[in-house]
Amino acid sequence: EVQLVESGGGLVKPGGSLRLSCAGSGFTFSIFNMNWVRQAPGKGLEWVSSISGMSSHINYGDSLKGRFTISRDNARSSLYLQMNSLRAEDTAVYFCARERRFCSSNNCPRALDIWGQGTMVTVSS
Amino acid sequence: EIVLTQSPGTLSLSPGERATLSCRASQSVSSTYLAWYQQKPGQAPRLLIYGVSSRATGIPDRFSGSGSGTDFTLTISRLEPEDFAVYYCQQSGTSPWTFGLGTKVEIK
Repeated sequence: EVQLVESGGGLVKPGGSLRLSCAGSGFTFSIFNMNWVRQAPGKGLEWVSSISGMSSHINYGDSLKGRFTISRDNARSSLYLQMNSLRAEDTAVYFCARERRFCSSNNCPRALDIWGQGTMVTVSS
Repeated sequence: EIVLTQSPGTLSLSPGERATLSCRASQSVSSTYLAWYQQKPGQAPRLLIYGVSSRATGIPDRFSGSGSGTDFTLTISRLEPEDFAVYYCQQSGTSPWTFGLGTKVEIK
């Protein structure tokens, strides 16, 4: 079964740090780009970051301003998000998601086809 | 960044009715990079549609997507009880990727 399982969430004080992990199974982890998406309580989805299979391409959402770092360990089929200088507005459920390209003859659309169950991060004093 | 505006915010319909959800982009989005997701309370999002109009694996054919440029539509032809949820459009053609704020389809 194709699966993503996040861990590492919890309660942290403003200015603190937290490292999230996402373990993939049931697929060849290294060939897929991976993403983090977050959702504040009662709010919509916000894309956080993406990383290519070999970690050569990394992108971040504009609101993160260098505080978050995405990484991966393909040998462990794992994705990570290092979050520093956390703020109250970072409080959210953090999902990891697999990015798949659905290639046909002349087109290669992409979307997030597999999602983990999410891990809750609460930033509060 | 590309802003995606979804309308209406809430759609109140009865089972069996047709639902039409709109997603308008602040600038043109390649059809390759427009997707729709469904989310139920307490669950992760689920991919419904990719590339504007292609259904993901296991998605019933009552779900269809259309549009181009800046205007996209998700249509649910006949609402089933399990379709009442929040729907998000998303673009992945220009970084940062963005989602719309969602349309909630609720039981009337």
